[in-house]
Amino acid sequence: AQSVSQHNHHVILSEAASLELGCNYSYGGTVNLFWYVQYPGQHLQLLLKYFSGDPLVKGIKGFEAEFIKSKFSFNLRKPSVQWSDTAEYFCAVSDYKLSFGAGTTVTVRA
Amino acid sequence: KAGVTQTPRYLIKTRGQQVTLSCSPISGHRSVSWYQQTPGQGLQFLFEYFSETQRNKGNFPGRFSGRQFSNSRSEMNVSTLELGDSALYLCASSSGQGLSTGELFFGEGSRLTVL
Repeated sequence: AQSVSQHNHHVILSEAASLELGCNYSYGGTVNLFWYVQYPGQHLQLLLKYFSGDPLVKGIKGFEAEFIKSKFSFNLRKPSVQWSDTAEYFCAVSDYKLSFGAGTTVTVRA
Repeated sequence: KAGVTQTPRYLIKTRGQQVTLSCSPISGHRSVSWYQQTPGQGLQFLFEYFSETQRNKGNFPGRFSGRQFSNSRSEMNVSTLELGDSALYLCASSSGQGLSTGELFFGEGSRLTVL
């Protein structure tokens, strides 16, 4: 089974700062890649996904992620964060089952 | 369109008891999967059901079991509860044929506390 590693446990930013969250998975083959987000008090929801094609994918709320196959990575980015981006972010990789990373808590200070 | 509904939302049990959690998927979704979320372990996959059949199972002891009914509703059961079973149990449904699509719609979870 895949293992998914998220590089940061907790990230604290100021509004308008850029955000990049790292995600690596353990082995290759055909995988589908996801970022999920959990806002405070809300349920997990899909932020963006990669199945195939253009390795730069765009999701909701201005987020994007880049798949680098040679590095087994799928990093999440946002050029300018807002206070409302405060949430926990989970990277997930799917082969026969969906494996999640441990999550990164992002706190955006106004 | 109603989302994934989980009941109960909160419950408190004591060690040795058993618990049953329920999940109603989005209408038309046939795949239901369960996850355990804890601060230390993140989200751990429990199992996935599709058309009443368990299709995949995570690395949890046999005390954790589940089933899916013909209307796609699912239940999970934990017997002989241990303190370490305290967690948020999340159910997710999918319209896809397989879990590998990964596009899951999550419920708000059932928070279990074991005393």
